[in-house]
Amino acid sequence: ETGVTQTPRHLVMGMTNKKSLKCEQHLGHNAMYWYKQSAKKPLELMFVYNFKEQTENNSVPSRFSPECPNSSHLFLHLHTLQPEDSALYLCASSQSTSGRDTQYFGPGTRLTVL
Amino acid sequence: GQSLEQPSEVTAVEGAIVQINCTYQTSGFYGLSWYQQHDGGAPTFLSYNALDGLEETGRFSSFLSRSDSYGYLLLQELQMKDSASYFCALLVYQGGKLIFGQGTELSVKP
Repeated sequence: ETGVTQTPRHLVMGMTNKKSLKCEQHLGHNAMYWYKQSAKKPLELMFVYNFKEQTENNSVPSRFSPECPNSSHLFLHLHTLQPEDSALYLCASSQSTSGRDTQYFGPGTRLTVL
Repeated sequence: GQSLEQPSEVTAVEGAIVQINCTYQTSGFYGLSWYQQHDGGAPTFLSYNALDGLEETGRFSSFLSRSDSYGYLLLQELQMKDSASYFCALLVYQGGKLIFGQGTELSVKP
């Protein structure tokens, strides 16, 4: 299943680095999401984009900066991260954000901040 | 606020039936979803209940009771490959957001 792809799959970065995570969906969906999954915690919604417009920022620190140039691509720009930001970052997409639409997830990027 | 509770771990043997419960608190939601996640993999959609009752998809069934704020995932004829984490998630009214439970780690033994 390659409906939602994410790159890189693994990333190690220092606290002063700047890096970006990329997500691409091939399902013709209009909504895209970033989630954070830390060990022993529920998946946490970070951002929601609908038709390229950000509709939700779940109180995410500014060191995480999303970008959605079109409905198929979503980026998460990272800078001056903290070790506690180490987690699995998952991208998802759905037909819309109107509710009732199944969200399809990518394989995630495993991020380690040193 | 919104929250979901599910057991952290469940162990069962191959061929058996297992039920993973999920209780929730919410001010309003479209339905309850279930996702499977193998170690290191993407959460995969399993089932969705918008209405009360049972939804069956092959070996997996899911149940919702809105009056009891309760749902469950039933896995039948367990196979080793079913060993994974299972998450219940509420699809809430606010912008179609998914609120996840902490996940139940299912171990299937021979």
